[in-house]
Amino acid sequence: GAGVSQSPRYKVAKRGQDVALRCDPISGHVSLFWYQQALGQGPEFLTYFQNEAQLDKSGLPSDRFFAERPEGSVSTLKIQRTQQEDSAVYLCATSGDSNQPQHFGDGTRLSIL
Amino acid sequence: GENVEQHPSTLSVQEGDSAVIKCTYSDSASNYFPWYKQELGKGPQLIIDIRSNVGEKKDQRIAVTLNKTAKHFSLHITETQPEDSAVYFCATPLRDDKIIFGKGTRLHILP
Repeated sequence: GAGVSQSPRYKVAKRGQDVALRCDPISGHVSLFWYQQALGQGPEFLTYFQNEAQLDKSGLPSDRFFAERPEGSVSTLKIQRTQQEDSAVYLCATSGDSNQPQHFGDGTRLSIL
Repeated sequence: GENVEQHPSTLSVQEGDSAVIKCTYSDSASNYFPWYKQELGKGPQLIIDIRSNVGEKKDQRIAVTLNKTAKHFSLHITETQPEDSAVYFCATPLRDDKIIFGKGTRLHILP
């Protein structure tokens, strides 16, 4: 497709379950970013990939959060042993290079019960 | 660390009037300033951006101004229309990778 695609759009999980969120980037985009957006707030940085290399994971809130991009294209954000405070919209953005504008997907709304 | 302050948090303007949203930043090394529009249930959409080598950029009804000395930049929307109602975020990148976002401005266009 023409834009960044994220799936699922909505995910409901019980506290303690593991979840996996997928991001399909714009074709050819080298840089990929994950953000977390709480209700009524701006997106906050989680982690950044350039191709398959994870260059910055300083925004991941705990070791329960893990992201990968093994072939430099599709990326998965995994959250283990989910907690209620993990409820948020998770946004993926990609760009042609680190110095180019970032284009966002529509996000995955995660609700932890 | 880098900080971006955005004002106001909510703005209501009459249809056809202008809207102005302002942001200040703390890192004098910042050199790229995008503005995003986010509609309900959607991801942020880039609407205009400016680099530090220019002071103003315009695209139809939308313009951005940058004052590097004062470290602030503003979004101007003229002749507002109902479809302009959304949340707007200013942002600036940190070390050319992660973007630091403002807290957003909810813009209401009144009929």
